[in-house]
Amino acid sequence: GENVEQHPSTLSVQEGDSAVIKCTYSDSASNYFPWYKQELGKRPQLIIDIRSNVGEKKDQRIAVTLNKTAKHFSLHITETQPEDSAVYFCAARLSGGSQGNLIFGKGTKLSVKP
Amino acid sequence: DTGVSQDPRHKITKRGQNVTFRCDPISEHNRLYWYRQTLGQGPEFLTYFQNEAQLEKSRLLSDRFSAERPKGSFSTLEIQRTEQGDSAMYLCASSSRFGGLSAEAFFGQGTRLTVV
Repeated sequence: GENVEQHPSTLSVQEGDSAVIKCTYSDSASNYFPWYKQELGKRPQLIIDIRSNVGEKKDQRIAVTLNKTAKHFSLHITETQPEDSAVYFCAARLSGGSQGNLIFGKGTKLSVKP
Repeated sequence: DTGVSQDPRHKITKRGQNVTFRCDPISEHNRLYWYRQTLGQGPEFLTYFQNEAQLEKSRLLSDRFSAERPKGSFSTLEIQRTEQGDSAMYLCASSSRFGGLSAEAFFGQGTRLTVV
């Protein structure tokens, strides 16, 4: 089955710096890759996603890149702010059949220091 | 509130007891998922419904776990003979039939289960 590896597990940056979180997936049939942000005690919330037919997607300070050949995708946050501090999860979803579930990485705890 | 709602928010139970959780998805979302999340880990997939049909079950879902979605709307997750290892946050999510398999999954606040 699908397996998603996420690195680093913790990341500390200074306010204004960029943060990059990387994920790799194992099943080349995966075709959808969302990123979720989870603040302490709250539900995971989608911040950006990308489909396998796209190489890059950007939304203001957040961007995601996908390399299908290497089976990895990355989250880039620029001009980080203290409110970006949270745990970020990448995920992958297989295409085809009745597959509907998301396989999540173990998460990256991002701390943005003012 | 038009989001995914889960009930109860917290449940403390004694080992060996049965517990049942409820999830109300966003109205008209035909896909519903159950996940389990333990501290410091990402959500782990348990099961997936499309309308009332349970299409996928994880190997994590032992015989003690059962999920239903009888009318294709709300869903229940039951754990029988709870064990301390069942202590976790149980998250429900739903997504629309529009957008195919890349439709966004919206999560509920979760039910935190503590087995003592």
